[in-house]
Amino acid sequence: DMKVTQMPRYLIKRMGENVLLECGQDMSHETMYWYRQDPGLGLQLIYISYDVDSNSEGDIPKGYRVSRKKREHFSLILDSAKTNQTSVYFCASSLRGNYAEQFFGPGTRLTVL
Amino acid sequence: GQQVQQSPASLVLQEGENAELQCNFSSTATQLQWFYQSPGGSLVSLLSNPSGTKHTGRLTSTTVTKERRSSLHISSSQTTDSGTYLCAIDTNTGKLTFGDGTVLTVKP
Repeated sequence: DMKVTQMPRYLIKRMGENVLLECGQDMSHETMYWYRQDPGLGLQLIYISYDVDSNSEGDIPKGYRVSRKKREHFSLILDSAKTNQTSVYFCASSLRGNYAEQFFGPGTRLTVL
Repeated sequence: GQQVQQSPASLVLQEGENAELQCNFSSTATQLQWFYQSPGGSLVSLLSNPSGTKHTGRLTSTTVTKERRSSLHISSSQTTDSGTYLCAIDTNTGKLTFGDGTVLTVKP
């Protein structure tokens, strides 16, 4: 069963705390992505990873960093979270290549108080 | 300008009616995907259709690459089809750019 998983599904943190969002996929996809979705702004790409330890900034990387030590796992880290990072975060994966279809996880709803 | 424009912004149907959603884009797309986002927020890929016509179940997508447009036809709509339909393209960058979506409401 091909799927992308995300943990946790819901998270509440205080401003200044560190946040770790985890994503896993069982399709051996080389490429993985982190997006955030906000009302009125749609889905925006934060980071893209082309394989283990091969990460690239997306359109809105400021305030975030990522880690990919295994092909099947991709983490999004917020060091000292800010209230404007309250959002829904989606992870996705795809095969390598610009024609590849992306598969999305269920999302993590993060609230930073 | 916005790369991906979807229309209509919202659509209300009676159950059993057909829906036609449009997606226009400003750059050549190497990939085009239609997604469904449920009211609860989960995002599901419906169709991957960079060119031509594809069917799955009650869904038909037609993409005319040269004219930079795609449509999603939903036949015999059901109340469970209610949600937001998103169109996204890749312009040979390996990154998807999303439209703002069409909010579909199907009434019983």
